[in-house]
Order: sequence, then structure tokens, then C-alpha cells
Amino acid sequence: GNSVTQMEGPVTLSEEAFLTINCTYTATGYPSLFWYVQYPGEGLQLLLKATKADDKGSNKGFEATYRKETTSFHLEKGSVQVSDSAVYFCALSGANFGNEKLTFGTGTRLTIIP
Amino acid sequence: EAGVTQFPSHSVIEKGQTVTLRCDPISGHDNLYWYRRVMGKEIKFLLHFVKESKQDESGMPNNRFLAERTGGTYSTLKVQPAELEDSGVYFCASTLAGNTIYFGEGSWLTVV
Repeated sequence: GNSVTQMEGPVTLSEEAFLTINCTYTATGYPSLFWYVQYPGEGLQLLLKATKADDKGSNKGFEATYRKETTSFHLEKGSVQVSDSAVYFCALSGANFGNEKLTFGTGTRLTIIP
Repeated sequence: EAGVTQFPSHSVIEKGQTVTLRCDPISGHDNLYWYRRVMGKEIKFLLHFVKESKQDESGMPNNRFLAERTGGTYSTLKVQPAELEDSGVYFCASTLAGNTIYFGEGSWLTVV
């Protein structure tokens, strides 16, 4: 079955540091890949997505590239801000996005200190 | 436009009691999902409605959980009787087919 493994947290960084949160997956076929974020007191929000190999998703300075050869979708940001403090979830869905359930990783709590 | 709304946001109940969680999806979204995150673990799929029909309920943990979506609008998830291991955050999500899935803020359930 499908599974997602992501970097264990918590992660604490100083403002303006470089961020990487690792995510690898196991899936049959050609899944779509996602990063979701949960800010304190809010629901899950889609941060970015990629639907095929070599696609790069990007949003709010975050990027992740769909690497089929390494089955990875690592999240990166060049310079983090305090407002980026949140829990980040890597996820995948089957070929029929919108009609297929999401499989999530365990989440990585990120804290940015000024 | 209102997002996905969940109620209650927090609930503390005793083992053996019943709790009913409610989800109001975004208007017009036929697809409605329930997910759960038990403390520190991954978010796990529970079930998927298309309108009022259960499309996939493979993630429902046992028969103490009952989900309904009468009329294809809001949905309820009832846990009866609640056990300690049911504690966690219950997320609801909705989408139009093939589009972004929108999540609610979650209902935090604590069973003591």
C-alpha cells in the first residue's frame, strides 16, 4: 500500500536559516504529492503540490520537487521567518486526485526563533 | 465564501460516553472526507462520501464509529462508546472532484 515517511521533528531554526524537511514515499503507479501546513489554531492548508515526475511545486517561498528516481518530495525554503512556525505534513494521493484518499506522513513541527 | 466548518472544536468526554462531531463542507462540494490524527502520529483516512453515499469507508477503525451524511450536505461522525484510544484530532475535508481538498480546523477529542 501507499506510505509516506517524513523527517521526525521537532525542528527549531533561527530566522533566515535554510530549511529542508525530508519526505519519501512508497506508492504504486504515479501518485500526486503534496505538502500541507497547519498553523497554530488553524486547519490544514495546502502549501504546494506536484502531480508528475520532475514537477516543482512552489508557494510562499517554499519549494519541493517530485523526484521519482529517489521517491522523494523534500520541502525547502531558503530563508525562514517566524511566521513559518507550524506543523508540516507530506502527503500523496492516487491517480484520481479529488476522488482518492490522501496518505499522510507523521508531520514535522517547525519552530522559528527570532 | 465559508470554508469547511467543524463542531465542536474541543470535546472532553469520559470513557464509555458518546460524542458526535459535525462537519459542514464548502457549499457545492460533493466529496467529503473524514481523517483522524492520533497524538504524534500520521493523519489517517477514515472515510469518503460522495454526496450522501459512502464511497470508501476502509479507514473506519471499528463499529463504534458511525458516519452519516443525510441529504448530501453536512456530515456527522459519532463515536459510541468512546474509548481512550479514540483521543485525537478529527479533520473533515471537502472538494469538488479533481480540485484542491479543503480541510477544516479539526475537532479535538479527549477521552478520559
